[in-house]
Amino acid sequence: GENVEQHPSTLSVQEGDSAVIKCTYSDSASNYFPWYKQELGKGPQLIIDIRSNVGEKKDQRIAVTLNKTAKHFSLHITETQPEDSAVYFCAASWADSWGKLQFGAGTQVVVTP
Amino acid sequence: DTGVSQNPRHKITKRGQNVTFRCDPISEHNRLYWYRQTLGQGPEFLTYFQNEAQLEKSRLLSDRFSAERPKGSFSTLEIQRTEQGDSAMYLCASSLVRLGRLTDTQYFGPGTRLTVL
Repeated sequence: GENVEQHPSTLSVQEGDSAVIKCTYSDSASNYFPWYKQELGKGPQLIIDIRSNVGEKKDQRIAVTLNKTAKHFSLHITETQPEDSAVYFCAASWADSWGKLQFGAGTQVVVTP
Repeated sequence: DTGVSQNPRHKITKRGQNVTFRCDPISEHNRLYWYRQTLGQGPEFLTYFQNEAQLEKSRLLSDRFSAERPKGSFSTLEIQRTEQGDSAMYLCASSLVRLGRLTDTQYFGPGTRLTVL
């Protein structure tokens, strides 16, 4: 089955700096890669996703890049703000998984003012 | 509010008791998933429904766990004879899978936190 590894496990950044989280996946058949943000006591909230036919996607301060050859994808947050502090999860889904997601272990992001 | 809702939000029970959780997906969403999340980990897939049909169950789902989605709308997850190892956050997600697509965005509910004493 699919295995998703996520790094780093914790990330501290100064407000205004950029944050980058990287994930690798094992199954070359994976074709859908969402990123979720989870705040304490809440469920995961989708922030951006990308499909395997696209190399990069942006939404305001957030961008995701996908390298299918290397089987890795990354989340980029620019101009970080204190409200970006949360746990971020990457996930992958593959063609015959019928949508079920395999999640990484998460990255705790702390943005200090 | 048109998001996914889950009840109860918190449940404390004694070992050996049965518990049941409810998930109400986003209206018209045809697919519903259950995940379990333990502290410091990402959610792990448990099972999913396409309308009222339960199509896959993870090996994590022992025979003490049962899930239903009787009318293709809300779903329930029951755990019988709870054990301390069942303590976790139980998350529900729903999606609208369109014709010709195998995957679509999953929207998560706030979760039910279970504590087994």
